[in-house]
Amino acid sequence: QKEVEQDPGPLSVPEGAIVSLNCTYSNSAFQYFMWYRQYSRKGPELLMYTYSSGNKEDGRFTAQVDKSSKYISLFIRDSQPSDSATYLCAMRADAGNNRKLIWGLGTSLAVNP
Amino acid sequence: GAGVSQTPSNKVTEKGKYVELRCDPISGHTALYWYRQSLGQGPEFLIYFQGTGAADDSGLPNDRFFAVRPEGSVSTLKIQRTERGDSAVYLCASSRTSGYNEQFFGPGTRLTVL
Repeated sequence: QKEVEQDPGPLSVPEGAIVSLNCTYSNSAFQYFMWYRQYSRKGPELLMYTYSSGNKEDGRFTAQVDKSSKYISLFIRDSQPSDSATYLCAMRADAGNNRKLIWGLGTSLAVNP
Repeated sequence: GAGVSQTPSNKVTEKGKYVELRCDPISGHTALYWYRQSLGQGPEFLIYFQGTGAADDSGLPNDRFFAVRPEGSVSTLKIQRTERGDSAVYLCASSRTSGYNEQFFGPGTRLTVL
């Protein structure tokens, strides 16, 4: 079993829809939780990060972390065609100086005009 | 300011050859990471540098892979005796040492081993 599980999709929604993306994980030592967006043939770009449990909102994006369930989510409101990309969750422990990220597979999202 | 840059953007080589992939981190970032991303997969950690030293090389798949960062800035990932299974996008990221340490990624080098 992988440390981080993420449904690869693809997910296809109409413009304006609310999109829900999620990941589960098994390592209780993870403390930092990130969502990255990756366009085709580009490097990942950080969208949101959360430390420990809770919610965080930034514009149309909301990240949620439930450490008791080992489950994280990203919600995109009023989705736009420009949101079409692969969304990757990543996480790491808060252990000294090692900040290597453990990643999900990524979920491919298409927002149709 | 300039982001993380990686060269070459694409590299095609033959099985058994030696390749070098270069990463220029953001100026002032002391931490540097290499990841490998295969098609349809998330990035897979390879090695992490803090300054000039490799703080964690546990992700290097075998001894054909080696990375250096001699002056604490530019890093080179070296792959000897390449195999077809090495074909992937090699991503480099850098971050500051203090605080949250967001990792900023370069565009990657797409390596194809024929």
